Amino acid sequence: ETGVTQSPTHLIKTRGQQVTLRCSSQSGHNTVSWYQQALGQGPQFIFQYYREEENGRGNFPPRFSGLQFPNYSSELNVNALELDDSALYLCASSFGTSTYNEQFFGPGTRLTVL
Amino acid sequence: TQLLEQSPQFLSIQEGENLTVYCNSSSVFSSLQWYRQEPGEGPVLLVTVVTGGEVKKLKRLTFQFGDARKDSSLHITAAQPGDTGLYLCAGASGGSYIPTFGRGTSLIVHP
Repeated sequence: ETGVTQSPTHLIKTRGQQVTLRCSSQSGHNTVSWYQQALGQGPQFIFQYYREEENGRGNFPPRFSGLQFPNYSSELNVNALELDDSALYLCASSFGTSTYNEQFFGPGTRLTVL
Repeated sequence: TQLLEQSPQFLSIQEGENLTVYCNSSSVFSSLQWYRQEPGEGPVLLVTVVTGGEVKKLKRLTFQFGDARKDSSLHITAAQPGDTGLYLCAGASGGSYIPTFGRGTSLIVHP
């Protein structure tokens, strides 16, 4: 059974640029959630995708957008990068959308915005 | 906005000591989860508690959910260096699929 994988591991961008982060969900999982974890903070929910549709969104601006593909892998896109976007971006997959369903996290992508 | 306060923020202890970390909120949660996150890794689920007053044990770790479902604690007995990590609690209300995470307690266990 393959776990959740994310790419790239690290990324450095400058303000105003755009970035795409990728996540492959665990085999058999149909739900992917994305989180932002700033240094010294807990993860903050960005949004969730279930069967290729956005299923809920946290308090993030529209320049944060995403996609889920038929194989349930997912992308997080961030436009017009700001310095405060520097963080660890985590994706988590699960079978189903309930918080009672265990989420399995990937190792994250460390984004640095200069 | 639901907030989860975790304390202490940092904890540095010697191997063999016992410790308790806390997760508190003014909000009621229908479920609360504890995770451990190691450097360079994503959080790993340790336990989910759903019933007020519930106590769950996982080897040397004991988790308790408050009677009013607003708070939780994690007690580690005879801590080992392998317990080192960031301990996060996360709560959800009703049928919400949006968990709220605390800031975490960073634990270092020295050999």
